[in-house]
Amino acid sequence: QSALTQPASVSGSPGQSITFTCTGTSSDVGGYNYVSWYQHHPGKAPKLIIYEVSNRPSGVSNRFSGSKSDTTAALTIFGLQAEDEADYYCSSYASSNTVVFGGGTKLTV
Amino acid sequence: QLQLEQSGGGLVKPGGSLRLSCVASGFTFSDYYMTWIRQAPGKGLEWLAYISSSGAYTNYADSVKGRFTVSRDNAKNSVNLQMNSLGADDTAVYYCARAYVLEWFDPWGQGTLVTVSS
Repeated sequence: QSALTQPASVSGSPGQSITFTCTGTSSDVGGYNYVSWYQHHPGKAPKLIIYEVSNRPSGVSNRFSGSKSDTTAALTIFGLQAEDEADYYCSSYASSNTVVFGGGTKLTV
Repeated sequence: QLQLEQSGGGLVKPGGSLRLSCVASGFTFSDYYMTWIRQAPGKGLEWLAYISSSGAYTNYADSVKGRFTVSRDNAKNSVNLQMNSLGADDTAVYYCARAYVLEWFDPWGQGTLVTVSS
């Protein structure tokens, strides 16, 4: 149950687009289309923003987009806004009825 | 409105036990898996455990297997996490979350802080 690999931090300017990566193995990210992404403002509950690799829950801005290639998933935020500054976590189903999260990426806008 | 209300955190001595609770509202609780996730200070999220909608199936992360037990009461719309043999490494904010099987988690509870210290 090793954590998925995410860059520790990313920064961007308002209006820019930015992409986070999430690297796993064939036993998790590469083996299933069950990657999800969560936005976490410290002190608040994490919020689901992408599920099943690329689906957005109702109410989530279409500025958020997810994708996957082999063992690496990605989250792209288009048109960065100040309110997007938060921690972002990926997670994946990891076989044997377990789940693994990434270490998280801190986004600075 | 989907909501998960958590309770039961606090300070506990090493080797002690604590029980966390999470009460759901706004959805048919008995239709969903539930899960527990934690975040240690300065660390990322860590998945801990899940329980199936009926309560028949559970599974745990290796880090808590044998020490933590997840249970649910569908009549009370509640899920619990019994934590035994706690150590300093268990100090964290603990979240319950509704699970779509084990594919994604939404919503999450507000989190409850567990501090293990003498």
